[in-house]
Amino acid sequence: NAGVTQTPKFQVLKTGQSMTLQCAQDMNHEYMSWYRQDPGMGLRLIHYSVGAGITDQGEVPNGYNVSRSTTEDFPLRLLSAAPSQTSVYFCASSYFPPPGANVLTFGAGSRLTVL
Amino acid sequence: AQSVTQPDIHITVSEGASLELRCNYSYGATPYLFWYVQSPGQGLQLLLKYFSGDTLVQGIKGFEAEFKRSQSSFNLRKPSVHWSDAAEYFCAVGEGSGGGADGLTFGKGTHLIIQP
Repeated sequence: NAGVTQTPKFQVLKTGQSMTLQCAQDMNHEYMSWYRQDPGMGLRLIHYSVGAGITDQGEVPNGYNVSRSTTEDFPLRLLSAAPSQTSVYFCASSYFPPPGANVLTFGAGSRLTVL
Repeated sequence: AQSVTQPDIHITVSEGASLELRCNYSYGATPYLFWYVQSPGQGLQLLLKYFSGDTLVQGIKGFEAEFKRSQSSFNLRKPSVHWSDAAEYFCAVGEGSGGGADGLTFGKGTHLIIQP
């Protein structure tokens, strides 16, 4: 099915561990982004990419790294997890950067708990 | 900087009753406005969007929203809610100047509860 696929759906980490949240889309979208969702905070942009090889920081980038080696994939890396990174993470993509006439397509989310 | 306010954290509505979810934005130029819905355990789905033109926009699932520039509002409405409408609703705004590579700004969400 066409869309944005995120893995894993659930993950529990210990403080200091590292991990990568995967995001893949098969819609040939140039723009991809990562948001985190926290209770009472809505969604906040972590990092985004406007094309392969190009990434930039969003509102809350600290503690996260990204890369974009292909159009399809946009992994989010936590190098040393902290309890403050406990959240639900969403990957979203669109043909061009928002807003324009483009609409973001969201993945189903990855729930991360850091103990 | 642009901002979005959803004044109601929770709203409870009886099934079959009408619904209005409020959204106010702060932005100097022409905004691009969106409403998304998030069902439990799911990602966000676009309900409707406003870019320009008719200020009353129709969306999926029987929802509509009206852009009122004078009030900086983009309220979401539905004439008769169904139990399946219970979800979290997010209003979002983006730049209209073409420089929107930094994404959308989302409100904090309104949790809609449907009473039988």
